[in-house]
Amino acid sequence: AQKVTQAQTEISVVEKEDVTLDCVYETRDTTYYLFWYKQPPSGELVFLIRRNSFDEQNEISGRYSWNFQKSTSSFNFTITASQVVDSAVYFCALSERTDSWGKLQFGAGTQVVVTP
Amino acid sequence: EPEVTQTPSHQVTQMGQEVILRCVPISNHLYFYWYRQILGQKVEFLVSFYNNEISEKSEIFDDQFSVERPDGSNFTLKIRSTKLEDSAMYFCASSPGLAASTDTQYFGPGTRLTVL
Repeated sequence: AQKVTQAQTEISVVEKEDVTLDCVYETRDTTYYLFWYKQPPSGELVFLIRRNSFDEQNEISGRYSWNFQKSTSSFNFTITASQVVDSAVYFCALSERTDSWGKLQFGAGTQVVVTP
Repeated sequence: EPEVTQTPSHQVTQMGQEVILRCVPISNHLYFYWYRQILGQKVEFLVSFYNNEISEKSEIFDDQFSVERPDGSNFTLKIRSTKLEDSAMYFCASSPGLAASTDTQYFGPGTRLTVL
């Protein structure tokens, strides 16, 4: 069964528009961590943000912000005022406490295309 | 800033041949991981490694695969007899070791393996 679902396959926006990426996760653990990673066209995986299950406070970091809602098991990610360099595949990932060795379970990814 | 490095960036091999993918994790990190990503698909966990032994492995990580930390800096993934379906991007990751399930994993740039 899918533990992490990213329903949006691709999102296309024009530069300066905001982009919100959806992530829905499934776990029975009470302690878990959620992550967002970015994979630009060059292929590497770049860590963006991490959130633990006990902290639902939503934050903003530069042009990135996230909305964590345990009630709906969602961990959405927003890029404000998108730029062409934001074009990439974005992966949401889950690490469960019972997986004590930190296995990351990734969603299928959302391709973001930002055009000038 | 410390980073995970991987060599080679691209490996082409014939089916049935053995390949060794190399990784140098971030210095002082204690947990090491291999993931793979078949073209256009999500990132999948292969194996985690701690204290010189495998701590967890996925169903993908069968007897054809092995990992080793031959010295204090390298971490290798060996595929004994490659198959066409082993063609993928292989990512190495490491995390500090505060607690595996809560650490952030930092990924290398990946090795693209092509099996002909």
